[in-house]
Amino acid sequence: DIQMTQSPSTLSASVGDRVTITCRASQSISSWLAWYQQKPGKAPKLLINKASSLENGVPSRFSGSGSGTEFTLTISSLQPDDFATYYCQQYNSFLPTFGGGTKVEIK
Amino acid sequence: EVQLVESGGGLVQPGGSLRLSCAASGFTVSSNYMSWVRQAPGKGLEWVSVIYTGGTTYYADSVKGRFTISRDNSKNTLYLQMNSLRAEDTAVYYCARTRGTTVFFDYWGQGTLVTVSS
Repeated sequence: DIQMTQSPSTLSASVGDRVTITCRASQSISSWLAWYQQKPGKAPKLLINKASSLENGVPSRFSGSGSGTEFTLTISSLQPDDFATYYCQQYNSFLPTFGGGTKVEIK
Repeated sequence: EVQLVESGGGLVQPGGSLRLSCAASGFTVSSNYMSWVRQAPGKGLEWVSVIYTGGTTYYADSVKGRFTISRDNSKNTLYLQMNSLRAEDTAVYYCARTRGTTVFFDYWGQGTLVTVSS
């Protein structure tokens, strides 16, 4: 199975900060990577697919980059609604796997 | 509007069985790859199973041989039959639709909680 490792596991930031979350794959997954946002008690929400393709309706302050084994999710200017947990997920393999998550907390 | 509504969760003893349902509206279940994803309390997301449009199924190693994914096209509903349940199967179970033939998840249900405990 392909292992996905996210860092950091927790991130403390302030409104307006630029935030970057990293996701590493145990082997190359080309650009077959998705990012999700999850708030407490809610289902995950798809933000980005194919590493950098922003979903309709997702604010442009979110962006994704990377290919192969290293990927990043960037929030250019953190807003109050962005405090949540973020997960990456690879779908290069027919057995999809998620990263462990990054919780973005208020500093 | 796409909607997914799970049901069937609850408290079950170790070794017991439970069947989860996911009623879909706004699209056709049989025309999409569909998955179950679970989340143990306070933990991350874990993919459980997928059923392809042609009926091919795959499972995570942690549930292989114990869980069965299926669908009823006439009811536009996805199922997860869970047998030989263990304490470590305790989680919120989400059904999720995938986009095309790539297994990432564009729509999710609200989840149903399964608790395995004596």
